[in-house]
Amino acid sequence: DQQVKQNSPSLSVQEGRISILNCDYTNSMFDYFLWYKKYPAEGPTFLISISSIKDKNEDGRFTVFLNKSAKHLSLHIVPSQPGDSAVYFCAASAYNAGNMLTFGGGTRLMVKP
Amino acid sequence: EPEVTQTPSHQVTQMGQEVILRCVPISNHLYFYWYRQILGQKVEFLVSFYNNEISEKSEIFDDQFSVERPDGSNFTLKIRSTKLEDSAMYFCASSLDRGQGYGYTFGSGTRLTVV
Repeated sequence: DQQVKQNSPSLSVQEGRISILNCDYTNSMFDYFLWYKKYPAEGPTFLISISSIKDKNEDGRFTVFLNKSAKHLSLHIVPSQPGDSAVYFCAASAYNAGNMLTFGGGTRLMVKP
Repeated sequence: EPEVTQTPSHQVTQMGQEVILRCVPISNHLYFYWYRQILGQKVEFLVSFYNNEISEKSEIFDDQFSVERPDGSNFTLKIRSTKLEDSAMYFCASSLDRGQGYGYTFGSGTRLTVV
């Protein structure tokens, strides 16, 4: 069941440049999308979310874009910092499914100094 | 910053044994969850709990699993008779609101190894 997919298992970016992490979904009932960041031996940490009624949400260096027609969202980190190196998960929820999250498989971001 | 605390961090158990994974959610949160991540796989929803009852559960959460909030602060996941395939990282999470846009706060997880 691949309702949420992150097709790039890893991404390497130079410090100061933009990191773009992508996520695709198939379930048109999803109406909230979230990004989580995870360091080894820690739980996922909430980063940013977006409602399906919006196409962009920004919080400091992090911006999430949603393209509903393409069922695609992306997380932009700019400028990227070495401390951003982690695994990033996108997740989605549907109102009629409570706030259960369906996660993608994650993308490991490595930001090189 | 408030955090969700999980104990133990690592549990090794023999197949067929019962295990209880413990969590202390953030004190004013009302919704509680268990997720798991089998090595190399996705984080998967197990169960959500609100007002002292299960509100949603996944197909994974079968009769061998149960959850309890025994004393108003702890939130436990019990696996009655563990199987090798139960080996995974188990994450507890809590949230103040059912609102979907609000991220949960996750604990650091319990690594369960069934041998």
